[in-house]
Amino acid sequence: AQSVTQLGSHVSVSEGALVLLRCNYSSSVPPYLFWYVQYPNQGLQLLLKYTSAATLVKGINGFEAEFKKSETSFHLTKPSAHMSDAAEYFCAVSPIQGAQKLVFGQGTRLTINP
Amino acid sequence: EAQVTQNPRYLITVTGKKLTVTCSQNMNHEYMSWYRQDPGLGLRQIYYSMNVEVTDKGDVPEGYKVSRKEKRNFPLILESPSPNQTSLYFCASRQGRGLSGANVLTFGAGSRLTVL
Repeated sequence: AQSVTQLGSHVSVSEGALVLLRCNYSSSVPPYLFWYVQYPNQGLQLLLKYTSAATLVKGINGFEAEFKKSETSFHLTKPSAHMSDAAEYFCAVSPIQGAQKLVFGQGTRLTINP
Repeated sequence: EAQVTQNPRYLITVTGKKLTVTCSQNMNHEYMSWYRQDPGLGLRQIYYSMNVEVTDKGDVPEGYKVSRKEKRNFPLILESPSPNQTSLYFCASRQGRGLSGANVLTFGAGSRLTVL
């Protein structure tokens, strides 16, 4: 069975600092991987996805993530945090075929300090 | 605008009083799903549907029912709600019948349910 672990339920960074949100997955074969963002009182929006093309994936709002098969990781980064990045972030995994659901990590709440 | 619409957005109810959370999508998506979100647990799938009249259990189906009589609608029914069903619920849809994991889920805005 596939699973996702997000390290750190809360991450706090200063405005302008690097954002790094960690995600490790467990899967017998390389899966598809996603990052979603949830702003307060809103649903989840797709930030980016990895579907076995380029290992470095660029998403919206300046975020990117790198798929590292050897480390079974898909960490999310942004070079310079903005106040508007404050939200909860979810990493999710899906098999390539037969995907009846996304398996989500526990979520990481990102706080931006002025 | 392409969207998934859930109602109600907020609901406080009492134990045992049947309720329905509606979900409607305007994108002609075959696949629809319900998730619940709880602190520290992320999102967990309750039920999903690959097409009209085709539904199946997810990871946490106990205490819930669903139906898919029309392609656009996928209501979540709590026949006898209990306090452990207090949660934030999300409906989602995507193109295709779930066979390709690359298809992206579109989420509704969420329904916050409190059962007293």
